[in-house]
Amino acid sequence: GIQVEQSPPDLILQEGANSTLRCNFSDSVNNLQWFHQNPWGQLINLFYIPSGTKQNGRLSATTVATERYSLLYISSSQTTDSGVYFCAVSNYGGSQGNLIFGKGTKLSVKP
Amino acid sequence: ETGVTQTPRHLVMGMTNKKSLKCEQHLGHNAMYWYKQSAKKPLELMFVYNFKEQTENNSVPSRFSPECPNSSHLFLHLHTLQPEDSALYLCASSQTSASGGSSSYNEQFFGPGTRLTVL
Repeated sequence: GIQVEQSPPDLILQEGANSTLRCNFSDSVNNLQWFHQNPWGQLINLFYIPSGTKQNGRLSATTVATERYSLLYISSSQTTDSGVYFCAVSNYGGSQGNLIFGKGTKLSVKP
Repeated sequence: ETGVTQTPRHLVMGMTNKKSLKCEQHLGHNAMYWYKQSAKKPLELMFVYNFKEQTENNSVPSRFSPECPNSSHLFLHLHTLQPEDSALYLCASSQTSASGGSSSYNEQFFGPGTRLTVL
């Protein structure tokens, strides 16, 4: 099945810093989502981005489907950005309803 | 608020108990999912329902029994669980579109989860 690798596994930032999170996947995908999991476990949708670039406030994401990776950019980080960021994909070859999750990047933003 | 609700939010049960988790979506979607998040494993799919029909069972033990009475409600019935089943159980929903005899699954939205502890 498709493999999803996220890097880095852990990231510590000072408030106001910028960061880039990476997601590599091993096969072509028809769905790619970025999530932020808050300390209470809620998965919050950030982007639905199987290809192209999107921006939402301080966050933006780019997926280069032909090279099988996606990047999540966080600018001017805030303490409320802390939590775990997940990349998840599904592809035509497998069960399309099955989102395959990476292990996540744990972000800690210090004041 | 994602439009997907789950109850209860926390559940503690013994290995001989029978309990049920409930999920409801208010987004008009036609596909619903159960995922499990354990402390030492990535989030993994358990079941998929598309138009109330189960389309995926990801080799889940029979002590977990899903039920989908309609497109808005999804249950997970639990019985004779083991301590290693303690985890965060997440429900999700999405809209599917049919094309050429197959379904295309779109963006998934998740509920807040039920944190289950099995003693």
